[in-house]
Amino acid sequence: EDQVTQSPEALRLQEGESSSLNCSYTVSGLRGLFWYRQDPGKGPEFLFTLYSAGEEKEKERLKATLTKKESFLHITAPKPEDSATYLCAVREVTGGGNKLTFGTGTQLKVEL
Amino acid sequence: NAGVTQTPKFRVLKTGQSMTLLCAQDMNHEYMYWYRQDPGMGLRLIHYSVGEGTTAKGEVPDGYNVSRLKKQNFLLGLESAAPSQTSVYFCASRIWNTEAFFGQGTRLTVV
Repeated sequence: EDQVTQSPEALRLQEGESSSLNCSYTVSGLRGLFWYRQDPGKGPEFLFTLYSAGEEKEKERLKATLTKKESFLHITAPKPEDSATYLCAVREVTGGGNKLTFGTGTQLKVEL
Repeated sequence: NAGVTQTPKFRVLKTGQSMTLLCAQDMNHEYMYWYRQDPGMGLRLIHYSVGEGTTAKGEVPDGYNVSRLKKQNFLLGLESAAPSQTSVYFCASRIWNTEAFFGQGTRLTVV
């Protein structure tokens, strides 16, 4: 059974203090790794998709990377508005690649 | 430009009551999903559909039923609500090999 584990569970940063969130996964065949952002009381909002090891995607202060066993979401010089829960999800080959399995998320708080 | 719309947004049920949650998407997506989100448990897949008229079980299907009679709608039913079904429910949809788009959620409390 595939598994998605995110760490840390919670992270508190000062504004401008860069850090990384981790998503490790064990699936039979990866068809995509997805990063989402979720604000309180709202649905997850899509950030990135990564398909193969070595791939990188960037958007403003966020950069997502992928290896064969894990993905990192790097946050450079974060601002308070980056505070949110960041979710990682994988789609695997098993079952036709139709299911999307999520980790439990990293709750990020960026303080002034 | 609605995307994925969930109805209702909030509901309180008594134990044993039934209800249906509606998910509607206007993006002509083939795949639709129902998740529940609980503290410390993350998003868990209840049921999903790969096209009109199809449904399949996810990770936590017990106590729920679904139907996909029209491509744009995916209904989640609770026949006899239990306190353990208190949760926030999210619907999502996607086309083949792309990311999923989520609705804003339905907060359900069963007392």
